[in-house]
Amino acid sequence: AQSVTQLGSHVSVSEGALVLLRCNYSSSVPPYLFWYVQYPNQGLQLLLKYTSAATLVKGINGFEAEFKKSETSFHLTKPSAHMSDAAEYFCAVSGGSGTYKYIFGTGTRLKVLA
Amino acid sequence: DAGVIQSPRHEVTEMGQEVTLRCKPISGHDYLFWYRQTMMRGLELLIYFNNNVPIDDSGMPEDRFSAKMPNASFSTLKIQPSEPRDSAVYFCASSSIGNTIYFGEGSWLTVV
Repeated sequence: AQSVTQLGSHVSVSEGALVLLRCNYSSSVPPYLFWYVQYPNQGLQLLLKYTSAATLVKGINGFEAEFKKSETSFHLTKPSAHMSDAAEYFCAVSGGSGTYKYIFGTGTRLKVLA
Repeated sequence: DAGVIQSPRHEVTEMGQEVTLRCKPISGHDYLFWYRQTMMRGLELLIYFNNNVPIDDSGMPEDRFSAKMPNASFSTLKIQPSEPRDSAVYFCASSSIGNTIYFGEGSWLTVV
């Protein structure tokens, strides 16, 4: 069985500051891990995914995430926040290739302060 | 290419009425998912199909909910009768081998 925990339902950062959104997972099999972003009144858009290749994954809009098996973590980072990054971010886990039951975290709402 | 297309985008209905949400997946995708998003429960997987066949419907909340996929390019999620607690955003998503799922923009349902 898989589960995802996102620490912090709301995160505020200043424009230009580091963005760090935390995600810890639990999986009985090697997981596939994902970060999605949701802008107001829109669906979820894939930011990046980990599928057992490189542990440091680069995504769109300057985001990246590092898979750390020892810590069961997949935190999302961006060196410098932009106002347009304000959105809700979801971490998700699936049980690997052939398993399509994605489990989503409860989301982290990112606020960027001018 | 067109993404996942959902209709209606917004619906307001009275309690007890039947609600039908529609979804057209991305062409060539053989997996289709229905999710529900609420403030209280977050994003929940209701049901998913593979090659038009329901694979896992364990997330469907109760018998009032039903989903069908009569062909590869169309799916419906029906609620009958609707209740105020069904108010939520319902997302359809689709995928092919590779495990990335693509979401539609959602159907915003309000039951009064």
